[in-house]
Amino acid sequence: DTGVSQDPRHKITKRGQNVTFRCDPISEHNRLYWYRQTLGQGPEFLTYFQNEAQLEKSRLLSDRFSAERPKGSFSTLEIQRTEQGDSAMYLCASSARGANTGELFFGEGSRLTVL
Amino acid sequence: GENVEQHPSTLSVQEGDSAVIKCTYSDSASNYFPWYKQELGKRPQLIIDIRSNVGEKKDQRIAVTLNKTAKHFSLHITETQPEDSAVYFCAASGGSNTGKLIFGQGTTLQVKP
Repeated sequence: DTGVSQDPRHKITKRGQNVTFRCDPISEHNRLYWYRQTLGQGPEFLTYFQNEAQLEKSRLLSDRFSAERPKGSFSTLEIQRTEQGDSAMYLCASSARGANTGELFFGEGSRLTVL
Repeated sequence: GENVEQHPSTLSVQEGDSAVIKCTYSDSASNYFPWYKQELGKRPQLIIDIRSNVGEKKDQRIAVTLNKTAKHFSLHITETQPEDSAVYFCAASGGSNTGKLIFGQGTTLQVKP
């Protein structure tokens, strides 16, 4: 399968714990995005990378959230001191090289439940 | 700030009827407008998109129209089939200096056989 892959698919944690999600984009894609989706809502933009550079981060994103893409390939999203409100599906997406915004290819998502 | 509003939130049609979903966006610099379909428990997948230099685009039973002056765009599905039942999201690019997409809240389409 050469699509976007995310790990883990499901994570249950207790409030206050740290969690980390990993995303492996389609290999030739240089842009990588993180979105958060709650039930009945559209994907909410969190941050995106072009190669290893984090170009934009949502103003709504708490300082407890941090994302990296150290070598311009896979990316990690870490949430520190989780809260119940962090419970959501975390979607990763990638898109091909190009000047214009283009099709995003989404992964299956990592579902986080904070107890 | 950037915002995309989508209506209706739910839509129920009989098989064979047409369905129309409408979106408005706030950022006049947005120039790319995709539509995604998300089936239950699955990832969102692109079904059609349009760029700002085009007013309409069609692909078999689905079409998208764009009115840049009014800052709204619509998805039209004709001859609906039960397998069209899903959640549909519109999105708009975040402007000329960003590669992000801002998504609408989604429309749950139910096609009754």
